[in-house]
Amino acid sequence: QVQLVQSGAEVKKPGASVKVSCKASGYTFTSHYMHWVRQAPGQGLEWMGVINPTGNSATYAQKFQGRVTMTRDTSTRTDYMQLSSLRSDDTAVYYCARDVSAKLEKPVWWFDPWGQGTLVTVSS
Amino acid sequence: SSELTQDPAVSVALGQTVRITCQGDSLRSYYASWYQQKPGQAPVLVIYGKNNRPSGIPDRFSGSSSGYTASLTITGAQAEDEADYYCYSRDSSGNYWVFGGGTKLTVL
Repeated sequence: QVQLVQSGAEVKKPGASVKVSCKASGYTFTSHYMHWVRQAPGQGLEWMGVINPTGNSATYAQKFQGRVTMTRDTSTRTDYMQLSSLRSDDTAVYYCARDVSAKLEKPVWWFDPWGQGTLVTVSS
Repeated sequence: SSELTQDPAVSVALGQTVRITCQGDSLRSYYASWYQQKPGQAPVLVIYGKNNRPSGIPDRFSGSSSGYTASLTITGAQAEDEADYYCYSRDSSGNYWVFGGGTKLTVL
């Protein structure tokens, strides 16, 4: 079955960087974009960015530009999200999610499946 | 603030029907997808496009789209439907993606 398995929880100090991995299985890895989404405690879902199927291009939400880097290793079917200059308000659960899309009467995109999430805690 | 606007909270009596809405300029050009999230769990896709349900999602969940608004309807709400619901689509520039702020559904 299609599955995304993320790396484990991390605790980082302010100013440090974190790199979260997302290993995919059960589908043709190079046929799908991968998005990253985060959720701070008690808050809603926040879109961070997306990497293309071949891994040679990424688009980041303006809020994270300059601090986030998304990469892909097609040989290991693994995506990575690195966030630098961490602050306490970066404390959140970070999810990877496989992009699926269709052009119906209007275009639509959806996530299926999601990774299990990785808790990143930023604390001094 | 989000470019997709949802009511923060909605309640419904057990067995009744509830509609959760998502408004945004981009929804004139794109469909939304909908996610259910229960505490401590990853979101789960419940509806995509105008009214498409993934396998395993009960048929009491349905979707619709008109103008600037996408809607998720639960017909005959069950206790297990109590959760947060998020809509998702492209933003109005068409360059990025965005979630609605989420709607907390309480089943009374």
